[in-house]
Amino acid sequence: NAGVTQTPKFQVLKTGQSMTLQCAQDMNHEYMSWYRQDPGMGLRLIHYSVGAGITDQGEVPNGYNVSRSTTEDFPLRLLSAAPSQTSVYFCASSVQGYEQYFGPGTRLTVT
Amino acid sequence: QQQVKQSPQSLIVQKGGISIINCAYENTAFDYFPWYQQFPGKGPALLIAIRPDVSEKKEGRFTISFNKSAKQFSLHIMDSQPGDSATYFCAAIINTNAGKSTFGDGTTLTVKP
Repeated sequence: NAGVTQTPKFQVLKTGQSMTLQCAQDMNHEYMSWYRQDPGMGLRLIHYSVGAGITDQGEVPNGYNVSRSTTEDFPLRLLSAAPSQTSVYFCASSVQGYEQYFGPGTRLTVT
Repeated sequence: QQQVKQSPQSLIVQKGGISIINCAYENTAFDYFPWYQQFPGKGPALLIAIRPDVSEKKEGRFTISFNKSAKQFSLHIMDSQPGDSATYFCAAIINTNAGKSTFGDGTTLTVKP
C-alpha cells in the first residue's frame, strides 16, 4: 500500500493563479480531510469528506474548493491564490474519522 | 475560540528523562483524544489515542493520562530518547461529527543526549 499520496511536493504560485493539490489513498477509507499547517498554529481543517459525493467545510474553508467523485481521490482547489495561502498542506484519510493517516504534505508558496 | 489548548509550546528534556505535554479541552462532547508525532518535513503520524471512559493508556514508553472532570489529558514519554525529538500534537474528535478533528497548536520536543 502506498497509503496517502500528495502531489506536488512543492509549488510556487503568483498571486491570482489557480491550482489543484492532488490527494489519493489506496486504503479504501471513507473519510478524507485537508489541513493547512502554519508555524505555531497547529493543523487547521480546511474541508473534509465522509464519503464519495459528500463534503463539508472545516475551520478555514475560504478560498478553497473540494469535490469527492471517488473514494480514492480528494483534490483541493485554490481558486485565486493569495499570499495568505502560503502554507504546508496535508491530506489525511481514515476509516471512520478517528485514526487519521496523513500524506507527506505539499509546501505552497504564493508570491 | 480555541477548543483544544496545548502546552508547553516547546520542551527540552535530557536523555532518559520524562517528557510531559498537556492539553485541555472545553467541549464535553469530545469523545476521542489522539496524539500525533511529526518529524520535520513529514506528515503527522498517529502515536496513541484514548477515549474518556479510560483514565490511562500505555503503549511502550508512551502513556496518555486522562482527567475527565478537569477536561485535561496529557502525554508522558518515559525514558526520552534523542529519536523522540519531534513535534507532538494533541487532538479531539466528537463521534457525531468524526470528520472534524480539532488540533492543539503543537509542542516541539528536543531530547538532549
